[in-house]
Amino acid sequence: AQKITQTQPGMFVQEKEAVTLDCTYDTSDQSYGLFWYKQPSSGEMIFLIYQGSYDEQNATEGRYSLNFQKARKSANLVISASQLGDSAMYFCAMREGPGGTASKLTFGTGTRLQVTL
Amino acid sequence: NAGVTQTPKFRVLKTGQSMTLLCAQDMNHEYMYWYRQDPGMGLRLIHYSVGEGTTAKGEVPDGYNVSRLKKQNFLLGLESAAPSQTSVYFCASSYNGPSQETQYFGPGTRLLVL
Repeated sequence: AQKITQTQPGMFVQEKEAVTLDCTYDTSDQSYGLFWYKQPSSGEMIFLIYQGSYDEQNATEGRYSLNFQKARKSANLVISASQLGDSAMYFCAMREGPGGTASKLTFGTGTRLQVTL
Repeated sequence: NAGVTQTPKFRVLKTGQSMTLLCAQDMNHEYMYWYRQDPGMGLRLIHYSVGEGTTAKGEVPDGYNVSRLKKQNFLLGLESAAPSQTSVYFCASSYNGPSQETQYFGPGTRLLVL
């Protein structure tokens, strides 16, 4: 079974609009972490946001927020006020097990976001 | 502050040739990782290291070897390259800590095996 599922291969959003990128995960661990990375066309992987399984508040970093619904095992990324520079591939990833050990991340297949004028 | 660097950026190999990819980080991170990225797939972990002198297998280790002789360097070796190893290779490092352990990635190495 897929541990990380991103069901949207591609998304379009108009500039200044908000967009939600979906991510569902599968784990039997109680302690885990969820990450979102951005990969622009230049190829580098850029860390965006992190949510721990025990964090009670949804994580936020500037225009990025993570809509964490533990019971549904979903960790959707919300980008507010989209900008043209947000056009990129977005990956959801999960670390299983507690922190303090090597973070062996499992990645989803990604969602390609295109921001239009 | 260079962060994570990878050498080379691009390489073409013939089947059966060998090569070594070098990853270097200047953030004093304990943990280092090698991933490969193939079209339509997310990154998959090849090998990782939790400290100098230690290495462990990830999800797709076959055909690769690694070494961590110095804390700041993590080498990925292909002894006999195969076309199936055509991919983009990413190195990453993370801090040894109880918190989020964000992984910081290098720019990637694009490898083509003919």
